[in-house]
Amino acid sequence: QKEVEQDPGPLSVPEGAIVSLNCTYSNSAFQYFMWYRQYSRKGPELLMYTYSSGNKEDGRFTAQVDKSSKYISLFIRDSQPSDSATYLCATNTNAGKSTFGDGTTLTVKP
Amino acid sequence: EPEVTQTPSHQVTQMGQEVILRCVPISNHLYFYWYRQILGQKVEFLVSFYNNEISEKSEIFDDQFSVERPDGSNFTLKIRSTKLEDSAMYFCASSEKGVSETQYFGPGTRLLVL
Repeated sequence: QKEVEQDPGPLSVPEGAIVSLNCTYSNSAFQYFMWYRQYSRKGPELLMYTYSSGNKEDGRFTAQVDKSSKYISLFIRDSQPSDSATYLCATNTNAGKSTFGDGTTLTVKP
Repeated sequence: EPEVTQTPSHQVTQMGQEVILRCVPISNHLYFYWYRQILGQKVEFLVSFYNNEISEKSEIFDDQFSVERPDGSNFTLKIRSTKLEDSAMYFCASSEKGVSETQYFGPGTRLLVL
């Protein structure tokens, strides 16, 4: 079983749609949860970082963590063509080793 | 805005050769990391580094790999004898206060082993 499983996609939505990206994890030692955006042939860019269950909002982005079910989500409201990228969920232990999901490729069509 | 930089952006080498990938972390950051991403696959942790020591390493980080902070600004990844399967994008990252802190990634070095 993979430590972090991410909904594979690809995902294609019209501009303005609400996007839901999801991951599950198996290791209870994971305490920190991140969402990165990665454009083709570029490094991951941190979007959201959280360490507690609940919601964290930043502009059009909302990260949701449910530690009891080991489930993490990223919601994008009013999606834009510029949001088209691969989205990576990742988790950290206290030792700093980040474990990434496989990524979900999102295309937002104008 | 401060950013992590990496050089070179691309490196082509022959199998068996040694390569050194260089990174300049964000200046006030104390924790440094290397990751790799084989084309079409997920980002994989290689090693974390703090206070001139390896904090944690993955099973990928075997004896052919080493890391060093040769001076106050650079952080390097050396691959001693490259193999075809080392071809990947290598990302450096840094964080400020601790391993649980947000890690900022560099743009990567694309390594191709022929």
